Amino acid sequence: EIVLTQSPGTLSLSPGEGATLSCRASLSVTGTYLAWYQQKPGQPPRVLIYGASSRATGIPDRFSGSGSGTDFTLTISRLEPEDFAVYYCQHYGSSPPKWTFGQGTKVEMK
Amino acid sequence: EVQLLESGGGLVQSGGSLRLSCAASGFTFNNYALTWVRQAPGKGLEWVSTITGRGSNIYYTDSVKGRFTFSRDNSRNTLYLQMNNLRAEDTAIYYCARGSSDYYNAFDFWGQGTMVTVSS
Repeated sequence: EIVLTQSPGTLSLSPGEGATLSCRASLSVTGTYLAWYQQKPGQPPRVLIYGASSRATGIPDRFSGSGSGTDFTLTISRLEPEDFAVYYCQHYGSSPPKWTFGQGTKVEMK
Repeated sequence: EVQLLESGGGLVQSGGSLRLSCAASGFTFNNYALTWVRQAPGKGLEWVSTITGRGSNIYYTDSVKGRFTFSRDNSRNTLYLQMNNLRAEDTAIYYCARGSSDYYNAFDFWGQGTMVTVSS
């Protein structure tokens, strides 16, 4: 069973700074099935990145994803005020079908 | 516009039952797998169950197997999650979400969620 571990738990940054969020899988996974979501208080999650590095429709290009194997990264190049939120990585495994989420990284305003 | 609208949440005693619904619109319902994801208060996201487009395959996380039943009515564009023998640890917001083959099975649209509280 794959476990996704996100780090850090909390990132305290100022608007305009860059953010690097990590997602580590307990086993090597196919990057094709690695996604990132953003969740703001009181709202459902929103998909940002799929296939490890492809931006979902309407997602600004300051968000980028990278990685392979066991290590994946979400990078926010310059934080806008609306980017302060919790971010989750998620993997889909097919045998049997199962969706696994990381525990989340909170990006808070310093 | 794709919309998913959950309903049916509420307060129930431990051991009780509840049925959640998710009404979908704005897309060809039977073309998509749909999923329930839950979020306990102040906690992260947890996948609960997924049903394929025609309902022929259903998958559950281990903690709900034998207690939850996921079904869909493609004539009504509606999903149902029958939850029996509820436990305190089932307390959460339950979201329905659409799976996207274009996004390699990530979830591209989510409802606003419905809150389930199980009192012990």
